[in-house]
Amino acid sequence: DIQVTQSPSSLSASVGGRATITCRTSQRISSFLNWYQQKPGQAPKLLIYTATYLYSGIPSRFSGSESGTEFTLTINSLQPEDSATYYCQQSYASPSTFGQGTRLEI
Amino acid sequence: DVQLVESGGALVQPGRSLRLSCEASGLAVGRGYLNWVRQAPGKGLQWVSLSDEDGRMKYADSVKGRFTISRHNSKNVLYLEMNSLTTEDTAVYFCAASTSATKYNYAMDVWGRGTTVTVSS
Repeated sequence: DIQVTQSPSSLSASVGGRATITCRTSQRISSFLNWYQQKPGQAPKLLIYTATYLYSGIPSRFSGSESGTEFTLTINSLQPEDSATYYCQQSYASPSTFGQGTRLEI
Repeated sequence: DVQLVESGGALVQPGRSLRLSCEASGLAVGRGYLNWVRQAPGKGLQWVSLSDEDGRMKYADSVKGRFTISRHNSKNVLYLEMNSLTTEDTAVYFCAASTSATKYNYAMDVWGRGTTVTVSS
């Protein structure tokens, strides 16, 4: 199985600032890395697919990048509503695997 | 718009069975790439099972041999039959779809609200 290691587990940032979350995979996954946002009591919401593509309706302050087996979610111009838990997920091979999650507090 | 609505969650005793349903609208389950993903209380997301466009079914090791995913195409419903339940299966179970597997490379872009399964004596 492909392991996905996400860091940090929690993060505190200020309104207007920037947050960066990283996922590392145990092998190359051809950009099949996705990012989700989940708020308490809600279902996850897709933010970024295939490492760098912004899903429809997601603000442009969210962006994704990749370098080899390292993938990064960056959130610029942080807003209070960005407080949530963020997960990465590899969809390259079954079983699909999620990162452990990053709780972002604004 | 694609919508997914899960149902069937309940409080059950260890060793018993339960069947979850995911009713889809705006998407044909028979041609969809559909997943079950669960989240134990206070924990992260765990992929459970997949039914793809070609009818292939896959399972996480933790549920293989106990859970069965299936589709009823005419009712447009996805099921998850869960047998020999243990306390470790306690979680919110989400139905999630990749509405265009080729476009989204199997990212799950539509999710239901989830249904809660509690396994306890």
